Amino acid sequence: EADIYQTPRYLVIGTGKKITLECSQTMGHDKMYWYQQDPGMELHLIHYSYGVNSTEKGDLSSESTVSRIRTEHFPLTLESARPSHTSQYLCASSDDGDYYNEQFFGPGTRLTVL
Amino acid sequence: AQRVTQPEKLLSVFKGAPVELKCNYSYSGSPELFWYVQYSRQRLQLLLRHISRESIKGFTADLNKGETSFHLKKPFAQEEDSAMYYCALLTGGGNKLTFGTGTQLKVEL
Repeated sequence: EADIYQTPRYLVIGTGKKITLECSQTMGHDKMYWYQQDPGMELHLIHYSYGVNSTEKGDLSSESTVSRIRTEHFPLTLESARPSHTSQYLCASSDDGDYYNEQFFGPGTRLTVL
Repeated sequence: AQRVTQPEKLLSVFKGAPVELKCNYSYSGSPELFWYVQYSRQRLQLLLRHISRESIKGFTADLNKGETSFHLKKPFAQEEDSAMYYCALLTGGGNKLTFGTGTQLKVEL
């Protein structure tokens, strides 16, 4: 079934730890995105990718990094987590050929850094 | 820089009453606007987009370039409409969505 998967769904971790948030899609989409959302606030684009080996920074500056080695996989990494990284992280994808530019979202990862 | 404003954090209406969720945008280019919705314990999903001029679940939204608005309307609210609604503007050559802060719609019986 075509879908977007994010793991873990919830993560509580201590300061200084390295973490990787996983995002995979079986939609066959070229474009993928990472958004960050603090409670009660808007979603902010932090990274996006047009396809394999393509990554761009979004509108909100982030200390995280991403990679796109496979079309279906777009992991986000924090080398040293801090309490300011506590947030919800949403992964999304879209079809490059879609005239309507619809983005499809994953279930999200809620990260808490103690 | 582009910006999307949703002035109401919470909108509470009675079942059967009309609904209007406000959205204003600021963008120097030609706007392409969307409404996304998130129902309780579900994912964020597209509700409608201005370019297709469609009505989804009884909701419509008209782009008013003069007032730079894209308000979401429904003539008769239903209980199942209770959700979080986000207005979004597509920029960056069709690669970036700029979201508003969202409006929580609560439909009371």
